[in-house]
Amino acid sequence: EPEVTQTPSHQVTQMGQEVILRCVPISNHLYFYWYRQILGQKVEFLVSFYNNEISEKSEIFDDQFSVERPDGSNFTLKIRSTKLEDSAMYFCASNPSPGLGQDTQYFGPGTRLTVL
Amino acid sequence: SQQGEEDPQALSIQEGENATMNCSYKTSINNLQWYRQNSGRGLVHLILIRSNEREKHSGRLRVTLDTSKKSSSLLITASRAADTASYFCATEAKTSYDKVIFGPGTSLSVIP
Repeated sequence: EPEVTQTPSHQVTQMGQEVILRCVPISNHLYFYWYRQILGQKVEFLVSFYNNEISEKSEIFDDQFSVERPDGSNFTLKIRSTKLEDSAMYFCASNPSPGLGQDTQYFGPGTRLTVL
Repeated sequence: SQQGEEDPQALSIQEGENATMNCSYKTSINNLQWYRQNSGRGLVHLILIRSNEREKHSGRLRVTLDTSKKSSSLLITASRAADTASYFCATEAKTSYDKVIFGPGTSLSVIP
């Protein structure tokens, strides 16, 4: 069964450094998402992406964050200058076509980001 | 806020017993989804129920949805130790196909 994959599984970085988290959504899906989960807290929406542009973003997704689909398969989340509070599990998700009855979001296994 | 809120926050039962978790939300929804997360791991999609559905089954899982009360329940029957995990409900608002909003989750412990 097709799966969303994410790399790396664990990323350790120094405060102020840039990180890029990578995701490969399921191949025929059209909508892509990033969520994060700070340890012990609930999963929070960051951003959604459709047709090569951001369709919605949360308050968390400030100027330090950006997303990109650099080729036909990868979907990346970049954090320009990491802060301690960016330490969290970051989940990528994809969806075939919400609003047309195909609205299950499929989540990747997550990347654990640790900012020191 | 559209957030789903689960209760209880934590539930501990003996293997073989049934576990019921509840979720409440605030806005009109397209669907409500339940996810499972083992400690420190990814999110596994369990079941999706649409706003025009009232009940859905999948194996040992039974989900109900009451849109008039803006609530849902997840029942796991004949629980097993391997069911130990956190369970989250997530709602997709009628106004947005762009995201799901997660509740804080119920931590389920099934004691062998």
